[in-house]
Amino acid sequence: DTGVSQDPRHKITKRGQNVTFRCDPISEHNRLYWYRQTLGQGPEFLTYFQNEAQLEKSRLLSDRFSAERPKGSFSTLEIQRTEQGDSAMYLCASSYYQGKEELFFGEGSRLTVL
Amino acid sequence: GQNIDQPTEMTATEGAIVQINCTYQTSGFNGLFWYQQHAGEAPTFLSYNVLDGLEEKGRFSSFLSRSKGYSYLLLKELQMKDSASYLCAVRDRQAGTALIFGKGTTLSVSS
Repeated sequence: DTGVSQDPRHKITKRGQNVTFRCDPISEHNRLYWYRQTLGQGPEFLTYFQNEAQLEKSRLLSDRFSAERPKGSFSTLEIQRTEQGDSAMYLCASSYYQGKEELFFGEGSRLTVL
Repeated sequence: GQNIDQPTEMTATEGAIVQINCTYQTSGFNGLFWYQQHAGEAPTFLSYNVLDGLEEKGRFSSFLSRSKGYSYLLLKELQMKDSASYLCAVRDRQAGTALIFGKGTTLSVSS
């Protein structure tokens, strides 16, 4: 396994359109996180899954955002009716729940909303 | 809530030593992480502290004082490739499972 992979790497869309990002975590990892990062800022937590259960959601995650992790494997993050303020890098990270639980990040999906 | 503070920018020269400070406030501290992030790339793990003291890993060391809510990342023998953003992140039991990140410190290393 080569690490966390995200698709697409870049997405340009018009305001009001829906977009979906996919994350494939490291195979033996049971926890998966979504973060959002804007220029000059640190990653901001959006939501987290343990296996297929979505256990935590940030207040940043408006009702236009939805995330799933069917069967506890890959995850998708969908943004409906995109707004210009949604433009950011969406980072996925996975971890194995044990000890320090280091997060391994993917390369991210960069969203530009025009 | 959590409050994590670190300097926005730092500069240093090749071969030097630089210390990046991080202060935090949490309700249920459960570990502090340092990540390195090169421009346009994913954050990569550097170090982890959960008990007070110094953790050393090659040219990088990280220190934690839980009573002071303070950590630093020490980079020795700086190289140009160390130019990156350094992110301090904490895990807070009261806030859940996710790491909460600071805004990052952009380090520029010049020759």
